[in-house]
Amino acid sequence: DVKVTQSSRYLVKRTGEKVFLECVQDMDHENMFWYRQDPGLGLRLIYFSYDVKMKEKGDIPEGYSVSREKKERFSLILESASTNQTSMYLCAGSRGYGYTFGSGTRLTVV
Amino acid sequence: TQLLEQSPQFLSIQEGENLTVYCNSSSVFSSLQWYRQEPGEGPVLLVTVVTGGEVKKLKRLTFQFGDARKDSSLHITAAQPGDTGLYLCAGARGNEKLTFGTGTRLTIIP
Repeated sequence: DVKVTQSSRYLVKRTGEKVFLECVQDMDHENMFWYRQDPGLGLRLIYFSYDVKMKEKGDIPEGYSVSREKKERFSLILESASTNQTSMYLCAGSRGYGYTFGSGTRLTVV
Repeated sequence: TQLLEQSPQFLSIQEGENLTVYCNSSSVFSSLQWYRQEPGEGPVLLVTVVTGGEVKKLKRLTFQFGDARKDSSLHITAAQPGDTGLYLCAGARGNEKLTFGTGTRLTIIP
């Protein structure tokens, strides 16, 4: 199974800061995804990537960007953090049908 | 955007009881997955169903994919406190990214 590691479990950032959320998967695996999870809204796809240097917008890309310079690493970037980006962020990798998720990063923007 | 509706949204039952949660859509999916998420963790894949009418069992959990591949159910027999968590269904159409339902939050009372 793919193992997905998110570098931070909890982050507190100030409004306007540039925020990097890092995600690493330990298999030679193409597909990676970033979601945010909010109560009552479920998991919403922010960005995804099917290969190195490839990225596609998900359902809610506004205010976010991503970077995938190496196959194993997929980074989510908040260019200028805002309070409405306070959320649980989940990274996932996939092989075949199932997704393997990281443990999540709970980001609070104050 | 494809919609996956899960019901009930919240369910609280006594240990030892049986329960069923549902995942419904107006769209046809090529495969459907169920995940369980515990507090502070990412979702963990429980099962994937790909054939209309398919039934899969995982110990006390029984998953069924509807004949028309638009819906699915999860039945738990003799629920235990360890079954507590957020249950998410997710559907895929071909090789497209997954669409997640909003989840059923299950609490088993000892």
